[in-house]
Amino acid sequence: NAGVTQTPKFQVLKTGQSMTLQCAQDMNHNSMYWYRQDPGMGLRLIYYSASEGTTDKGEVPNGYNVSRLNKREFSLRLESAAPSQTSVYFCASIYPGRSRPEAFFGQGTRLTVV
Amino acid sequence: TQLLEQSPQFLSIQEGENLTVYCNSSSVFSSLQWYRQEPGEGPVLLVTVVTGGEVKKLKRLTFQFGDARKDSSLHITAAQPGDTGLYLCAGRGANNLFFGTGTRLTVIP
Repeated sequence: NAGVTQTPKFQVLKTGQSMTLQCAQDMNHNSMYWYRQDPGMGLRLIYYSASEGTTDKGEVPNGYNVSRLNKREFSLRLESAAPSQTSVYFCASIYPGRSRPEAFFGQGTRLTVV
Repeated sequence: TQLLEQSPQFLSIQEGENLTVYCNSSSVFSSLQWYRQEPGEGPVLLVTVVTGGEVKKLKRLTFQFGDARKDSSLHITAAQPGDTGLYLCAGRGANNLFFGTGTRLTVIP
């Protein structure tokens, strides 16, 4: 009963380095999302995937790329990390529900860019 | 962007006190949700309200959706230390769940 699994949980990068954050869900949901959470800013959408094979930009996509590898997996890539990307990143799998959507979140990845 | 503003941003109260936190927007939402997030964890859904004026109770927590479906409130009766956490409201957009900035609640034993 894993739900949404994110790796890694913590990461420190130097400016300019690249990395990929991994996310997998076992709930057979079509929709998956990547958010970042910063103090006083709430959760802001980076990218989302409404279904396998599709991805779309959210509110703050600059500096990121995503891949929806299959229905289970949705990865987030930072090609050239910047200090402004220091944040906590959450992957979510969304059960759409006609009027009652529910987001299931992973435990988060705390990323520091120095 | 459908902005959701939450107030207060921080709240520190004694165990046993009552409190209310608010979630306001200039946009109409088809539904509003409340999540609670504990340190080191992702948010977890508490409730979804759908109908204007709807009131839902979850033990000591009472959630209300405004008549115009633009705002919501969360009232906690007799707060306990276990209620400590970040409370987030979220409104459903076309392809997104928009989250508020959150209310960080601390209940002091």
